[in-house]
Amino acid sequence: AQKVTQAQTEISVVEKEDVTLDCVYETRDTTYYLFWYKQPPSGELVFLIRRNSFDEQNEISGRYSWNFQKSTSSFNFTITASQVVDSAVYFCALSEAGANTGGFKTIFGAGTRLFVKA
Amino acid sequence: EAGVTQFPSHSVIEKGQTVTLRCDPISGHDNLYWYRRVMGKEIKFLLHFVKESKQDESGMPNNRFLAERTGGTYSTLKVQPAELEDSGVYFCASSPRYQGARELFFGEGSRLTVL
Repeated sequence: AQKVTQAQTEISVVEKEDVTLDCVYETRDTTYYLFWYKQPPSGELVFLIRRNSFDEQNEISGRYSWNFQKSTSSFNFTITASQVVDSAVYFCALSEAGANTGGFKTIFGAGTRLFVKA
Repeated sequence: EAGVTQFPSHSVIEKGQTVTLRCDPISGHDNLYWYRRVMGKEIKFLLHFVKESKQDESGMPNNRFLAERTGGTYSTLKVQPAELEDSGVYFCASSPRYQGARELFFGEGSRLTVL
């Protein structure tokens, strides 16, 4: 069965600190996809990144970076020099490849609420 | 281009009553998903439509929940009769047909409170 675990329920940091959000996943599929979404106060989940299981290269996008390690089944997310606007709930998610429909089922973790204080 | 819209944003009902949630996906998106998040827990998959057909409804909790997507456009999720444990935020998401899994486009959610 597929599962995503985000062990950190809440994290509180002071602005400009670096913070890492942990994500551990379980799957028996050899082809799968990992995602991070951000849920700001407005409520909708906003896509941040997608990674497929064959690409273990780390990725950096501005202050955001992601560390994908298949050996430990982890896909951690680091925010460098955090800002108040980063305050949100962050969800890690796992998806198997879709069948013939071009659609797919995505499994989410419980989310990590990040508070960034000024 | 309009995003995924959900209505109502918040609904408060008494146990035993009926509530219908609506989702308008992004125009042209064949895939439509319903998810639910109970306070502090993971976002759980409910079901997946491809156009008007239910592709996967394995996450629907019980037969008090009925989802429809007539004409392959908007979708409704009806809860009848509602129970206390149905409280939570119901998210709708849509996506085009992709090769390989890609991101979902989410609405802001409909918060359901059952008293």
